Amino acid sequence: LVMTQSPATLSVSPGERAIVSCRASHSVSSTLAWYQQKPGQAPRLLIYGTSTRATGIPARFSGSGSGTEFTLTISSLQSEDFGLYYCQQYNNWPPMYTFGQGTKLEVK
Amino acid sequence: QLQLQESGPGLVKPSETLSLICTVSGGSISSGSSYWGWIRQPPGKGLEWIGSLSYSGNTYYNPSLKSRVTISVDTSKNQFSLNLTSVTAADTAVYSCARGRLECSTICESWFDPWGQGTLVIVSS
Repeated sequence: LVMTQSPATLSVSPGERAIVSCRASHSVSSTLAWYQQKPGQAPRLLIYGTSTRATGIPARFSGSGSGTEFTLTISSLQSEDFGLYYCQQYNNWPPMYTFGQGTKLEVK
Repeated sequence: QLQLQESGPGLVKPSETLSLICTVSGGSISSGSSYWGWIRQPPGKGLEWIGSLSYSGNTYYNPSLKSRVTISVDTSKNQFSLNLTSVTAADTAVYSCARGRLECSTICESWFDPWGQGTLVIVSS
C-alpha cells in the first residue's frame, strides 16, 4: 500500500482555505489519520477516524473521504497552521501503518 | 497528561545495534487500550513506522525492518525499548516513540497520540 499526498507543497495566504489530499494505491477498508508537524517538533495528531478531530484541535480542521481518496481541509488558515502535514493509514492484519510522504503548507 | 521521552546514544557505528528507550509518564504502560510504537524520520524524508508493542506483549513490525528489529517492554520502569541490529547509514533518522490507539468495531482503526519529541540517531564510523 502506498499513500500519496498532493500537493507536495501548498502556498496559501492567511485566511484562505487549504486542501491537502491523500490517495491510497488501492481501496482501504480502514480510516485515516492526519498529523501536523512543525520544525523541531513531534507530529501532532489532528484527525483520526478520517473525520474526528483530536482533543483541542480547532474546528477549522476537517477531514473526509473513503476508499482511495481522503482530504484534510483547513477552512481559514491561521499563522500557526503552517508546517508539514502527513496522512496515515492503518491495516489491521497484518498490522501495518503507512504514512504519506508529507505536504508542506507555506505562507503565500 | 501522558508524555513520552526517548533516550539513547546519538551516534552508532555501522554494523552495530541501535538501542533506544522510551519512558512513559503520566500514565501506565500496561493500559489495556494502548499500544506503544516506534516511528522514524530520515533527514528530509517522511515518516516510517518501525513497529509496535501491544499492552498484552504482542509485537508487530514493519516487514521491511522485521529481521533487524526487536521491541520490548519493562513494565516495572514504565518503559519500552527499540533494538535495531546491523545498522547502516540508511538508518540515520529521528526516532520517535508514540502511544498507539486501536479501536475496533465494524473496522479497526489506529493512530498515534501523543508522540515523544524524537531523538536523532546518526550511523557513522
